[in-house]
Amino acid sequence: QVRLKESGPRLVQPSQTLSVTCTVSGFSVTSYHVSWVRQPPGKGLEWVGAIWKGGSTDYNSALKSRLSISRDTSKNQVFLKMNSLQTDDTGTYYCAKHAQAYYGYSAFDYWGQGVMVTVSS
Amino acid sequence: DIQMTQSPASLSASLGETVTIECRASEDIYNGLAWYQQKPGKSPQLLIYNANSLHTGVPSRFSGSGSGTQYSLKINSLQSEDVASYFCQQYYNYPPTFGSGTKLEIK
Repeated sequence: QVRLKESGPRLVQPSQTLSVTCTVSGFSVTSYHVSWVRQPPGKGLEWVGAIWKGGSTDYNSALKSRLSISRDTSKNQVFLKMNSLQTDDTGTYYCAKHAQAYYGYSAFDYWGQGVMVTVSS
Repeated sequence: DIQMTQSPASLSASLGETVTIECRASEDIYNGLAWYQQKPGKSPQLLIYNANSLHTGVPSRFSGSGSGTQYSLKINSLQSEDVASYFCQQYYNYPPTFGSGTKLEIK
Protein backbone atom coordinates (compact mmCIF):
# COMPACT_ATOMS: atom_id res chain seq x y z
CA GLN A 1 0.00 0.00 0.00
CA VAL A 2 1.48 3.30 -1.11
CA ARG A 3 1.68 5.95 1.58
CA LEU A 4 3.43 9.27 1.93
CA LYS A 5 3.52 11.27 5.13
CA GLU A 6 4.93 14.74 5.67
CA SER A 7 6.34 15.90 8.97
CA GLY A 8 7.76 19.22 10.01
CA PRO A 9 7.20 22.38 12.01
CA ARG A 10 3.82 24.09 11.91
CA LEU A 11 5.25 27.54 12.63
CA VAL A 12 8.35 29.12 11.16
CA GLN A 13 9.61 32.64 11.75
CA PRO A 14 10.20 34.98 8.80
CA SER A 15 13.68 34.70 7.30
CA GLN A 16 14.15 31.26 8.84
CA THR A 17 14.46 27.89 7.09
CA LEU A 18 11.67 25.38 6.61
CA SER A 19 12.55 21.69 6.80
CA VAL A 20 9.92 19.09 5.90
CA THR A 21 10.36 15.32 5.70
CA CYS A 22 8.33 13.00 3.48
CA THR A 23 8.41 9.39 4.65
CA VAL A 24 7.15 6.96 2.03
CA SER A 25 6.09 3.33 2.15
CA GLY A 26 4.81 0.91 -0.46
CA PHE A 27 7.40 2.01 -3.02
CA SER A 28 11.06 2.94 -3.13
CA VAL A 29 12.29 6.48 -3.79
CA THR A 30 14.90 4.83 -6.01
CA SER A 31 12.13 3.43 -8.23
CA TYR A 32 9.77 6.42 -8.51
CA HIS A 33 10.21 10.18 -8.53
CA VAL A 34 8.73 12.37 -5.80
CA SER A 35 7.58 15.97 -6.09
CA TRP A 36 6.73 18.66 -3.59
CA VAL A 37 3.61 20.78 -4.16
CA ARG A 38 2.38 23.63 -1.98
CA GLN A 39 -0.98 25.32 -1.53
CA PRO A 40 -1.57 28.68 0.18
CA PRO A 41 -4.72 28.73 2.33
CA GLY A 42 -7.82 28.80 0.14
CA LYS A 43 -5.78 28.98 -3.06
CA GLY A 44 -4.45 26.78 -5.84
CA LEU A 45 -1.58 24.35 -6.18
CA GLU A 46 2.02 25.23 -7.01
CA TRP A 47 4.70 22.73 -7.97
CA VAL A 48 7.79 23.33 -5.86
CA GLY A 49 10.30 20.78 -7.10
CA ALA A 50 11.10 17.13 -7.67
CA ILE A 51 13.72 14.54 -6.88
CA TRP A 52 14.14 11.94 -9.58
CA LYS A 53 14.60 8.27 -8.81
CA GLY A 54 18.28 8.58 -9.71
CA GLY A 55 18.77 11.37 -7.17
CA SER A 56 18.91 14.43 -9.42
CA THR A 57 16.57 17.33 -8.75
CA ASP A 58 14.42 19.90 -10.55
CA TYR A 59 13.16 23.08 -8.96
CA ASN A 60 10.54 25.68 -9.69
CA SER A 61 12.61 28.51 -11.14
CA ALA A 62 10.78 31.06 -8.98
CA LEU A 63 11.92 29.26 -5.82
CA LYS A 64 15.17 27.71 -6.98
CA SER A 65 17.53 30.06 -5.13
CA ARG A 66 15.90 29.16 -1.78
CA LEU A 67 15.26 25.45 -2.30
CA SER A 68 16.98 22.17 -1.65
CA ILE A 69 15.46 18.72 -2.10
CA SER A 70 17.35 15.63 -1.02
CA ARG A 71 16.70 12.09 0.16
CA ASP A 72 17.84 9.24 2.38
CA THR A 73 17.35 6.05 0.41
CA SER A 74 18.05 3.84 3.44
CA LYS A 75 15.05 5.37 5.22
CA ASN A 76 12.93 5.93 2.09
CA GLN A 77 12.61 9.61 2.95
CA VAL A 78 12.64 12.79 0.90
CA PHE A 79 13.52 16.18 2.39
CA LEU A 80 12.48 19.71 1.48
CA LYS A 81 14.44 22.68 2.72
CA MET A 82 13.46 26.23 1.88
CA ASN A 83 15.29 29.19 3.32
CA SER A 84 14.53 32.90 3.76
CA LEU A 85 10.88 32.21 4.38
CA GLN A 86 8.35 35.02 4.02
CA THR A 87 4.68 35.25 4.93
CA ASP A 88 3.60 34.33 1.42
CA ASP A 89 5.31 30.95 1.89
CA THR A 90 2.53 30.09 4.32
CA GLY A 91 0.54 27.10 3.15
CA THR A 92 0.21 23.34 3.08
CA TYR A 93 3.21 21.46 1.74
CA TYR A 94 2.54 18.09 0.10
CA CYS A 95 4.82 15.40 -1.21
CA ALA A 96 3.47 13.35 -4.09
CA LYS A 97 4.58 10.26 -5.99
CA HIS A 98 4.93 10.44 -9.76
CA ALA A 99 2.70 7.90 -11.50
CA GLN A 100 5.33 6.91 -14.03
CA ALA A 101 8.87 5.74 -13.42
CA TYR A 102 10.27 7.03 -16.72
CA TYR A 103 12.27 10.25 -16.73
CA GLY A 104 9.80 12.98 -17.55
CA TYR A 105 6.86 14.48 -15.80
CA SER A 106 3.68 12.54 -15.19
CA ALA A 107 0.59 12.82 -13.05
CA PHE A 108 0.92 12.50 -9.28
CA ASP A 109 -0.93 9.34 -8.29
CA TYR A 110 -0.46 9.40 -4.52
CA TRP A 111 -0.19 12.37 -2.19
CA GLY A 112 0.65 12.78 1.45
CA GLN A 113 -1.77 14.37 3.88
CA GLY A 114 0.25 17.57 3.83
CA VAL A 115 1.74 19.73 6.55
CA MET A 116 0.33 23.20 7.15
CA VAL A 117 3.16 25.68 7.68
CA THR A 118 2.56 29.19 8.96
CA VAL A 119 5.29 31.80 8.53
CA SER A 120 4.85 34.32 11.29
CA SER A 121 6.74 36.00 14.08
CA ASP B 1 5.74 28.31 -18.30
CA ILE B 2 2.52 26.83 -19.70
CA GLN B 3 -0.51 28.65 -18.30
CA MET B 4 -3.61 26.61 -17.47
CA THR B 5 -6.89 28.54 -17.59
CA GLN B 6 -9.65 26.67 -15.81
CA SER B 7 -13.37 27.45 -15.89
CA PRO B 8 -15.71 27.98 -14.25
CA ALA B 9 -14.24 29.06 -10.91
CA SER B 10 -17.33 27.77 -9.15
CA LEU B 11 -20.25 25.60 -10.10
CA SER B 12 -23.52 24.69 -8.45
CA ALA B 13 -25.51 21.71 -9.72
CA SER B 14 -28.26 19.36 -8.59
CA LEU B 15 -27.84 15.74 -7.61
CA GLY B 16 -28.00 13.50 -10.66
CA GLU B 17 -26.97 16.27 -13.05
CA THR B 18 -24.01 16.17 -15.43
CA VAL B 19 -21.35 18.86 -15.02
CA THR B 20 -18.36 19.79 -17.16
CA ILE B 21 -15.20 21.64 -16.15
CA GLU B 22 -12.88 23.07 -18.78
CA CYS B 23 -9.16 23.67 -18.90
CA ARG B 24 -7.29 25.53 -21.62
CA ALA B 25 -3.51 25.38 -21.97
CA SER B 26 -1.48 28.28 -23.36
CA GLU B 27 0.13 25.86 -25.82
CA ASP B 28 -0.31 22.31 -27.04
CA ILE B 29 0.26 19.86 -24.17
CA TYR B 30 -0.25 16.68 -26.20
CA ASN B 31 -2.63 15.06 -23.69
CA GLY B 32 -0.18 15.51 -20.82
CA LEU B 33 -3.02 16.47 -18.51
CA ALA B 34 -4.36 15.25 -15.20
CA TRP B 35 -7.46 16.08 -13.17
CA TYR B 36 -7.51 16.02 -9.37
CA GLN B 37 -10.30 16.16 -6.81
CA GLN B 38 -9.65 17.86 -3.48
CA LYS B 39 -12.20 17.63 -0.70
CA PRO B 40 -12.12 20.22 2.09
CA GLY B 41 -9.19 19.66 4.44
CA LYS B 42 -7.83 16.78 2.36
CA SER B 43 -5.03 16.29 -0.13
CA PRO B 44 -5.68 16.18 -3.88
CA GLN B 45 -6.61 12.80 -5.34
CA LEU B 46 -5.87 11.78 -8.93
CA LEU B 47 -8.96 11.20 -11.07
CA ILE B 48 -7.77 11.26 -14.68
CA TYR B 49 -4.33 11.11 -16.32
CA ASN B 50 -3.18 11.38 -19.92
CA ALA B 51 -6.31 13.49 -20.49
CA ASN B 52 -8.73 10.56 -20.66
CA SER B 53 -7.45 7.59 -18.57
CA LEU B 54 -9.32 6.83 -15.37
CA HIS B 55 -7.10 6.31 -12.32
CA THR B 56 -7.54 3.07 -10.38
CA GLY B 57 -10.58 3.06 -8.15
CA VAL B 58 -12.15 6.22 -9.58
CA PRO B 59 -15.89 5.86 -10.34
CA SER B 60 -16.76 5.60 -14.02
CA ARG B 61 -19.05 8.65 -13.79
CA PHE B 62 -15.84 10.70 -14.09
CA SER B 63 -14.41 11.06 -17.57
CA GLY B 64 -11.84 13.22 -19.31
CA SER B 65 -11.53 14.33 -22.90
CA GLY B 66 -9.80 16.82 -25.12
CA SER B 67 -6.66 17.36 -27.13
CA GLY B 68 -4.23 20.08 -28.09
CA THR B 69 -4.94 23.00 -25.79
CA GLN B 70 -8.53 22.25 -24.76
CA TYR B 71 -9.51 19.66 -22.16
CA SER B 72 -12.54 18.88 -20.06
CA LEU B 73 -13.63 16.82 -17.08
CA LYS B 74 -17.18 15.51 -17.06
CA ILE B 75 -19.01 14.19 -14.02
CA ASN B 76 -22.17 12.23 -14.78
CA SER B 77 -24.96 11.65 -12.25
CA LEU B 78 -23.59 14.06 -9.66
CA GLN B 79 -23.41 12.58 -6.17
CA SER B 80 -23.20 14.37 -2.82
CA GLU B 81 -19.68 13.00 -2.30
CA ASP B 82 -18.53 14.86 -5.43
CA VAL B 83 -18.61 18.17 -3.53
CA ALA B 84 -14.98 19.26 -3.81
CA SER B 85 -12.56 21.47 -5.68
CA TYR B 86 -11.21 20.17 -8.97
CA PHE B 87 -7.84 21.08 -10.48
CA CYS B 88 -6.30 20.37 -13.85
CA GLN B 89 -2.53 19.98 -14.22
CA GLN B 90 -0.31 19.85 -17.26
CA TYR B 91 2.81 17.71 -17.05
CA TYR B 92 3.83 17.81 -20.68
CA ASN B 93 6.44 20.45 -20.04
CA TYR B 94 8.61 21.77 -17.22
CA PRO B 95 7.44 23.08 -14.85
CA PRO B 96 4.23 21.19 -14.13
CA THR B 97 1.48 23.79 -13.75
CA PHE B 98 -2.03 23.70 -12.34
CA GLY B 99 -5.30 25.38 -13.17
CA SER B 100 -6.77 27.72 -10.57
CA GLY B 101 -9.46 25.24 -9.58
CA THR B 102 -13.23 24.82 -9.75
CA LYS B 103 -15.31 24.63 -6.59
CA LEU B 104 -18.28 22.32 -7.07
CA GLU B 105 -21.30 22.59 -4.81
CA ILE B 106 -24.69 20.90 -4.71
CA LYS B 107 -27.79 23.06 -5.24
